[in-house]
Amino acid sequence: EIVLTQSPATLSLSPGERATLSCRASQSVSSYLAWYQQKPGQAPRLLIYDASNRATGIPARFSGSGSGTDFTLTISSLEPEDFAVYYCQQRRNWPPVTFGGGTKIEIK
Amino acid sequence: EVQLLESGGGLVQPGGSLRLSCAASGFTFSNYAMNWVRQAPGKGLEWVSTISGSGDSTYYADSVKGRFTISRDSSKNTLYLQMSSLRAEDTALYYCAKSFTGGVAVTFDYWGQGTLVTVSS
Repeated sequence: EIVLTQSPATLSLSPGERATLSCRASQSVSSYLAWYQQKPGQAPRLLIYDASNRATGIPARFSGSGSGTDFTLTISSLEPEDFAVYYCQQRRNWPPVTFGGGTKIEIK
Repeated sequence: EVQLLESGGGLVQPGGSLRLSCAASGFTFSNYAMNWVRQAPGKGLEWVSTISGSGDSTYYADSVKGRFTISRDSSKNTLYLQMSSLRAEDTALYYCAKSFTGGVAVTFDYWGQGTLVTVSS
């Protein structure tokens, strides 16, 4: 089973700041990594698929990078609606599909 | 517009059974694999099961294998999850999620709002 480790667990930032979230895989997942955003009381929303491709309707301030075992989700300038929990997920080697433990971006 | 509407959750005793449903609309249901993903209260996301568009292939997390059965009815555009031998650790919000592309892809582009399953005596 591929384990995904996200860091940091919590990121305290202010609106307008840049957010950098990390996801590290226990073995290579090539580029088969997705990122999701989840706000309280809501279902997750697909942001990025295959490491660097924005899903439909996702603003350009969200970008993904990386391959192999190290991945990054960057939010170039935080908007108020971006404060949420973010999960990475791999589909390189499944079953099982695995998710990271999440990174919460909170308002500083 | 893609819509996924789960139902069937509730309170069940340990060892009991429950069937979840997910009514899908806004896309050609049989063209896409479908999935169940759960989230225990205050916890992260856990993949549960995937079924191919044709229904011929099914996949399960080890934690539910042998106890849960995923199925689909394309005439009704509905996904199901039959859960049996339920345990306290199955308590979670269960999401139905559509696969992003054709084939058995496990990137999830649309999610329902979830149905809550509580296993407790």
